[in-house]
Amino acid sequence: QKEVEQDPGPLSVPEGAIVSLNCTYSNSAFQYFMWYRQYSRKGPELLMYTYSSGNKEDGRFTAQVDKSSKYISLFIRDSQPSDSATYLCAIWGLTGGGNKLTFGTGTQLKVEL
Amino acid sequence: DSGVTQTPKHLITATGQRVTLRCSPRSGDLSVYWYQQSLDQGLQFLIQYYNGEERAKGNILERFSAQQFPDLHSELNLSSLELGDSALYFCASSPLVPNYGYTFGSGTRLTVV
Repeated sequence: QKEVEQDPGPLSVPEGAIVSLNCTYSNSAFQYFMWYRQYSRKGPELLMYTYSSGNKEDGRFTAQVDKSSKYISLFIRDSQPSDSATYLCAIWGLTGGGNKLTFGTGTQLKVEL
Repeated sequence: DSGVTQTPKHLITATGQRVTLRCSPRSGDLSVYWYQQSLDQGLQFLIQYYNGEERAKGNILERFSAQQFPDLHSELNLSSLELGDSALYFCASSPLVPNYGYTFGSGTRLTVV
């Protein structure tokens, strides 16, 4: 079992739709939860991070963490064509191998006009 | 510009050859991480250095090695290259406690022919 599972998509939505991206994780030692956005042929860039269960908002983006079920989500409201990218969840924590940032495989999102 | 500099951007080489990828971390960051990204494997952690010392190892092949120099730049050496080593190689950096994520460079695209 992978430590972080993420549906690879691709996911195609019309402009203005609400997008829901999800990941599950297996290791309860993970402490911090992040979402990265990666445009084609570019490096991943950090979108949001959180460390507690609950919601965190930043503009059109909301990150949600449920530690009890080991489930994290990213919601994008009023999606735009410029949101078309691959979204990677990433989870950080102190494990037996030291501090470690583990990525999901990424969900490819396309927002169409 | 993320502040993490990777060179070269593109590299084409033949099987059996050896290459060196270079990374300069963001100013003030002491940790450097190397990741490999291929289409079917996602972002795979290779190795981490902190202030010149190896801190953690991931799925790094014995043909691969890395080091971090006193000026904190890092090099990833790939030898006896195989076709399957073709991938994007990313470097990321972080402060000591990266609870808010890593900053990635724009990557080196390696093509082995």
